[in-house]
Amino acid sequence: DTAVSQTPKYLVTQMGNDKSIKCEQNLGHDTMYWYKQDSKKFLKIMFSYNNKELIINETVPNRFSPKSPDKAHLNLHINSLELGDSAVYFCASSQEVPNEQFFGPGTRLTVL
Amino acid sequence: AQSVTQLGSHVSVSEGALVLLRCNYSSSVPPYLFWYVQYPNQGLQLLLKYTSAATLVKGINGFEAEFKKSETSFHLTKPSAHMSDAAEYFCAVGKGAQKLVFGQGTRLTINP
Repeated sequence: DTAVSQTPKYLVTQMGNDKSIKCEQNLGHDTMYWYKQDSKKFLKIMFSYNNKELIINETVPNRFSPKSPDKAHLNLHINSLELGDSAVYFCASSQEVPNEQFFGPGTRLTVL
Repeated sequence: AQSVTQLGSHVSVSEGALVLLRCNYSSSVPPYLFWYVQYPNQGLQLLLKYTSAATLVKGINGFEAEFKKSETSFHLTKPSAHMSDAAEYFCAVGKGAQKLVFGQGTRLTINP
C-alpha cells in the first residue's frame, strides 16, 4: 500500500502549456505539502495545507495554484509553464507532531 | 528563522569505513531534526529523527545521529559503510506543522 502517491511520475510538456500533478495520501494525516527539488537537488517548500486550508505559501509565482479537495488530496496546477519550472516536485504529508513528513515518489517535470 | 548547513556536498568513503555526514542547524526554538535519504530517482525516506527525547538517535539501516545543543549539530554516522548506502542525504529542521527546512544535501559515494 503506497502511503503517499503522485501522478504522473514523469511529465514532459511544451512552454506555455497548463498541467496538473496529483497527490494522495492514505495515512490519515492532516497536513500536506508540495516541495520543489531543482537540478542541484535543493529542496524547497512551496505550499502547505492543513485540513484543506492553505497555511504556507512561499514566494511562488501565482502561475502555481494548489488545490485540496479533501485532506487526503493536494493537487498542484501550473499555468503557462516556463523552462525554469523544470524540476522534480514532491508531495509530502504529516501530522503536526512530530512533523515527520512522508514523501511521495516525485514527479519529474520537463518543460521544453 | 530556521536553517540547516550540511558541510560537504560530496563525501566518499570506502566500503566498511566509517560514514560521517555533518549537519549544523540554526533555530530560535528547540528544534526537531531529521535525516532523510534519497536513492537515485526516488523520493525521500526518513532515516531518523530527533524530537527532544534522547540525544543519541538510532535510525534505519544502521545509521545514528547525535544531537549536540552546544555545537548546534546533528551529525549522521554509520560505523561501517555498505555499497547500498550510496545516495543523497538531507538534514532538515522543523517544528510542529511548520515546513521542513532542508540542507543542500550530501552525496555519499561508497568505493569498493
